[in-house]
Amino acid sequence: GAVVSQHPSWVICKSGTSVKIECRSLDFQATTMFWYRQFPKQSLMLMATSNEGSKATYEQGVEKDKFLINHASLTLSTLTVTSAHPEDSSFYICSARDPRGGGISYNEQFFGPGTRLTVL
Amino acid sequence: QQQVKQSPQSLIVQKGGISIINCAYENTAFDYFPWYQQFPGKGPALLIAIRPDVSEKKEGRFTISFNKSAKQFSLHIMDSQPGDSATYFCAASRQTGANNLFFGTGTRLTVIP
Repeated sequence: GAVVSQHPSWVICKSGTSVKIECRSLDFQATTMFWYRQFPKQSLMLMATSNEGSKATYEQGVEKDKFLINHASLTLSTLTVTSAHPEDSSFYICSARDPRGGGISYNEQFFGPGTRLTVL
Repeated sequence: QQQVKQSPQSLIVQKGGISIINCAYENTAFDYFPWYQQFPGKGPALLIAIRPDVSEKKEGRFTISFNKSAKQFSLHIMDSQPGDSATYFCAASRQTGANNLFFGTGTRLTVIP
């Protein structure tokens, strides 16, 4: 099956600094990637949809200047949390849509292992 | 507004028993219904998915039952094992247009030996 990786798996940073999280599709080219945020014992909240070569589409309430998304290639999308604060501490998960299909839906998404961000 | 409602919030099942998790949706435009399994500290993994042209899909011990008229679908885990202990999320999306996945609130399953 399609494999998606994330790096780093966890990061601790000081308040006010910026943190970059990478999401890679390892064995396929993903024209669309998604970024989610998950608080403990809660569901996944879609933050933004990232399309290769174009600007990301942010969900309502998500600050695009704070959560910078770049999808510069068909296998890599990055999420940069700028001027991080303790309330940004969360589990960030990316997913990628495999355009090769093979499943029952072209909208089948494959998720990365997540990145735990802790802002001190 | 929660597009997909999921219940129960938590579930405890004896080993060998059947685990049943239910979901309901409102948007009749949804035509793709996946279930995801998530272990602590890991990303969700696709478990099984169904489209509304069938009423049931089975893969190993996992079965999705789909009721289009009631706008409900459920996950059945047969012969539940301790290794199945995880959080399960149902989701729904459209095949075309705005096709983001809408997730349920999750069910924490615990299978006791």
